Amino acid sequence: ETGVTQSPTHLIKTRGQQVTLRCSSQSGHNTVSWYQQALGQGPQFIFQYYREEENGRGNFPPRFSGLQFPNYSSELNVNALELDDSALYLCASSPGLAVETQYFGPGTRLLVL
Amino acid sequence: KQEVTQIPAALSVPEGENLVLNCSFTDSAIYNLQWFRQDPGKGLTSLLLIQSSQREQTSGRLNASLDKSSGRSTLYIAASQPGDSATYLCAVEGGATNKLIFGTGTLLAVQP
Repeated sequence: ETGVTQSPTHLIKTRGQQVTLRCSSQSGHNTVSWYQQALGQGPQFIFQYYREEENGRGNFPPRFSGLQFPNYSSELNVNALELDDSALYLCASSPGLAVETQYFGPGTRLLVL
Repeated sequence: KQEVTQIPAALSVPEGENLVLNCSFTDSAIYNLQWFRQDPGKGLTSLLLIQSSQREQTSGRLNASLDKSSGRSTLYIAASQPGDSATYLCAVEGGATNKLIFGTGTLLAVQP
């Protein structure tokens, strides 16, 4: 167990809808990163939050947005869902920005129909 | 732009065999390299973390090496077991953010 939880575990949405995915990090972990993993691919970096501020973003459009809260929880929001958004969404937390091991949650499987 | 490649994409071996998984990356300016294990539909479990100044790390039957200058890493699994069946991902970290760049993984099946 990594101490990182995600909800929901599975989700089905239709194209054009909006979705919110949640992540709960370990206490004291000030950094959370989100990754998208399409079927058969490695995870791709979406963005990172450090102490509630965005601290780096991958090659994802603005309809992917996030929030991080003081209680070590965070959200990934995706607007105007597209079929290609179907993937496993992973969050990972770490105590700070220094080089260290990130702890991954189990992921949320999103299916867009 | 950093690119990470893993070979082979899939591997099937009989139980007890020793095996090597390969990972290559295009930009040698990395902070570290990690090997992860992913079971079907699950999140990632970190197996080994090699800092850029290190050459290898060992944990039980696993040994990972890093050659920054050639942009290569290998994961050696000794005496493979059916429980080792999973997808193995390597990832490099570089840049100001704690951002990992992953390969596409090697799907390992160990036959009893």
